[in-house]
Amino acid sequence: DAGVTQSPTHLIKTRGQHVTLRCSPISGHKSVSWYQQVLGQGPQFIFQYYEKEERGRGNFPDRFSARQFPNYSSELNVNALLLGDSALYLCASSLWDRGLNSPLHFGNGTRLTVT
Amino acid sequence: QQQVKQSPQSLIVQKGGIPIINCAYENTAFDYFPWYQQFPGKGPALLIAIRPDVSEKKEGRFTISFNKSAKQFSLHIMDSQPGDSATYFCAASNGGATNKLIFGTGTLLAVQP
Repeated sequence: DAGVTQSPTHLIKTRGQHVTLRCSPISGHKSVSWYQQVLGQGPQFIFQYYEKEERGRGNFPDRFSARQFPNYSSELNVNALLLGDSALYLCASSLWDRGLNSPLHFGNGTRLTVT
Repeated sequence: QQQVKQSPQSLIVQKGGIPIINCAYENTAFDYFPWYQQFPGKGPALLIAIRPDVSEKKEGRFTISFNKSAKQFSLHIMDSQPGDSATYFCAASNGGATNKLIFGTGTLLAVQP
């Protein structure tokens, strides 16, 4: 079975622009989460979506938004890009249901560079 | 309260050695503690995870030791190989409204031949 797939793999944008990142979860996984990983640091939680509803939001500005589609794929949108948004954006899927911990499976990420 | 502190930042061992990576947490509501391995250009891959009702868990060459009273847990890699050279992250979460993981800052491991 295919793992978590993300597109594009690399992206270069200019300050002030917006970007859309895409994620397809492992088949059967209904939960998708987004993480930001700045070089040299651990991933930071941005959003979790389950059954198309937002279930959690990390400490990120409103410029960050996401959504989940009926097929459980997801998009992460970032508006008004700043240089500090340059990072590896990771998508993870799981079999999570409320109240249960379940393993997160990560994709290989989208490397976003803001110039 | 939400932090997971990881040490050391980097580690060099000889092939066959046993690197040990340590993590500490404050939030007693955490009840799930996974370790992830990340190679350059790749996403983190789940290695092994433990819940606080056990003190040790082994999977292959990887062992987690868990000390609930000290709020600490560690990863041991037995018979380390050059192919184990990667960045290792500990993490923690609590079962509840989200599947959010709090990650440590990572340990860059180099296993020399």
